[in-house]
Amino acid sequence: ETGVTQTPRHLVMGMTNKKSLKCEQHLGHNAMYWYKQSAKKPLELMFVYNFKEQTENNSVPSRFSPECPNSSHLFLHLHTLQPEDSALYLCASSQALRGSYEQYFGPGTRLTVT
Amino acid sequence: AQSVAQPEDQVNVAEGNPLTVKCTYSVSGNPYLFWYVQYPNRGLQFLLKYITGDNLVKGSYGFEAEFNKSQTSFHLKKPSALVSDSALYFCAVRADLLMFSGGYNKLIFGAGTRLAVHP
Repeated sequence: ETGVTQTPRHLVMGMTNKKSLKCEQHLGHNAMYWYKQSAKKPLELMFVYNFKEQTENNSVPSRFSPECPNSSHLFLHLHTLQPEDSALYLCASSQALRGSYEQYFGPGTRLTVT
Repeated sequence: AQSVAQPEDQVNVAEGNPLTVKCTYSVSGNPYLFWYVQYPNRGLQFLLKYITGDNLVKGSYGFEAEFNKSQTSFHLKKPSALVSDSALYFCAVRADLLMFSGGYNKLIFGAGTRLAVHP
């Protein structure tokens, strides 16, 4: 739909598991974002990559590890998560500083930590 | 400080009636403003934006928004609500480039307003 895909759409993992979330954008954008959306809390910006370089890390715990191998792909590696990490994880992309300005979002991965 | 406020957690409207979802912002310089909609278990979907020009901006699905500089507001409106408009709506403003120089379009989101349209 929006040119940003995320897999998997749903993920259930135990606290000792290691898993990865994948995001791919087909819009030719240069900036990619990870957001966390928890129930009844504002949208939280976690990480930003601009031209494959991490430009923002908003005090995210080290159990979340992002990776951006190129401008089209973004990963979020998860390990030893806590139940409070259960949330909808959204990936977004946008053009660099000049351009159409808006961000385009993927459908999200619903993560449940048991 | 840069911020976006959506003063209403929820807005209830009868189908066919006009709807307004409120948003106010605080940012230095000229504001770049956005509205997004989120349906259940989906990502945020871009609706419309104000960058410059006419204060009334038209977007997807019959929505429009009115930019009011003196009131620092960017309210989302629709003349006749549909039950299918029921969703979570987010207002956003681009971070002031004078205060943020990351080289990308960082958006500051409001907390969201849940719109419920009743038959």
